[in-house]
Amino acid sequence: GDSVTQMEGPVTLSEEAFLTINCTYTATGYPSLFWYVQYPGEGLQLLLKATKADDKGSNKGFEATYRKETTSFHLEKGSVQVSDSAVYFCALSDRGSYIPTFGRGTSLIVHP
Amino acid sequence: DSGVTQTPKHLITATGQRVTLRCSPRSGDLSVYWYQQSLDQGLQFLIQYYNGEERAKGNILERFSAQQFPDLHSELNLSSLELGDSALYFCASSVQQGAGETQYFGPGTRLLVL
Repeated sequence: GDSVTQMEGPVTLSEEAFLTINCTYTATGYPSLFWYVQYPGEGLQLLLKATKADDKGSNKGFEATYRKETTSFHLEKGSVQVSDSAVYFCALSDRGSYIPTFGRGTSLIVHP
Repeated sequence: DSGVTQTPKHLITATGQRVTLRCSPRSGDLSVYWYQQSLDQGLQFLIQYYNGEERAKGNILERFSAQQFPDLHSELNLSSLELGDSALYFCASSVQQGAGETQYFGPGTRLLVL
């Protein structure tokens, strides 16, 4: 079945540091890939997505590239802010199934 | 604000009881998803409805049931509650049900079973 593996957290960074959160996936079909973010006390919200190989999703300074050859969708940001502190979820949605699969989430803590 | 509303925000009840969680999707969204989020299990997909019909089932217990009404709001019913059912329950909606669809999540209902 489909699965998503994210790096364990928490990830702790200082403000303006470079961020990478790794995400790899296993899918039987050709999935769409997503990053969602959950701020404290809130529901998840879409951060970015990519629907085909080599597509780059980007939003709010975050980027992720759909790499079919390595089955990865790593999240990056060049300079994090305290306000980026949240839990980040990698997810996939396979064309053969409408059931989305989420990773376990990676907590990011950014210190001033 | 995602446009998805969930009530109640918090619910405290006892083991063996039954509760109903309510979700109103964004205007125009036909698809509704229910998730359970707990510390040990992460975010688990429970069930999906599309335009009133059940379309997909995930890790939903037999004690749990859901439905989507003609006005597209949805209810998740949890019965014979156990301590382990304590969790955050999220509803999400999307316009359609395709693989590339973005899901819009509500703020969640925090359920505590004592």
